[in-house]
Amino acid sequence: EDQVTQSPEALRLQEGESSSLNCSYTVSGLRGLFWYRQDPGKGPEFLFTLYSAGEEKEKERLKATLTKKESFLHITAPKPEDSATYLCAVLNAGNNRKLIWGLGTSLAVNP
Amino acid sequence: DGGITQSPKYLFRKEGQNVTLSCEQNLNHDAMYWYRQDPGQGLRLIYYSQIVNDFQKGDIAEGYSVSREKKESFPLTVTSAQKNPTAFYLCASSVKSTGGIEAFFGQGTRLTVV
Repeated sequence: EDQVTQSPEALRLQEGESSSLNCSYTVSGLRGLFWYRQDPGKGPEFLFTLYSAGEEKEKERLKATLTKKESFLHITAPKPEDSATYLCAVLNAGNNRKLIWGLGTSLAVNP
Repeated sequence: DGGITQSPKYLFRKEGQNVTLSCEQNLNHDAMYWYRQDPGQGLRLIYYSQIVNDFQKGDIAEGYSVSREKKESFPLTVTSAQKNPTAFYLCASSVKSTGGIEAFFGQGTRLTVV
């Protein structure tokens, strides 16, 4: 069964304390892995799509990497405004344009 | 600015009433989706449409209905048959291009049954 697991469920960091969020997946052929940021009461905001193992993408303090089993979202020197829930989803080869979602990691960055 | 607009942001409904949530996009995307988000659960797919006048049931379609008469619009009706309709509803659209696949969300509608 296709599955996406995100860890940790919650993470609290001090401002400037770098860390990584994990998204592990089991799918029958990966067509894409998506990262989103969601603020309370709002819709998810698209961050990245990764397609193949070894691929990396960066946006400001965020860097996403992909292996054959998992993806990491690295947050470098986070600021309080990076506090949000980060969602991971995968698109498998068997279901065109249907995403399988993880439960998210809730990140809090203290000043 | 291009984007996805959901309305209303908050909606209250009495038990036994049908209610329709609006979703409009001006991104020229072919595919559109409706998700439901509940605390402690991942996003669950209700319905999706890959082309005008065609749509498919997602994982939790019971008690919901949709239409796709225009490319820009994908309204969701929550019927009285939906046993637990109070939730945060999200509409999304996606496009597949030479640059890859991108999917974008609206800001959501919070439905409360009173």
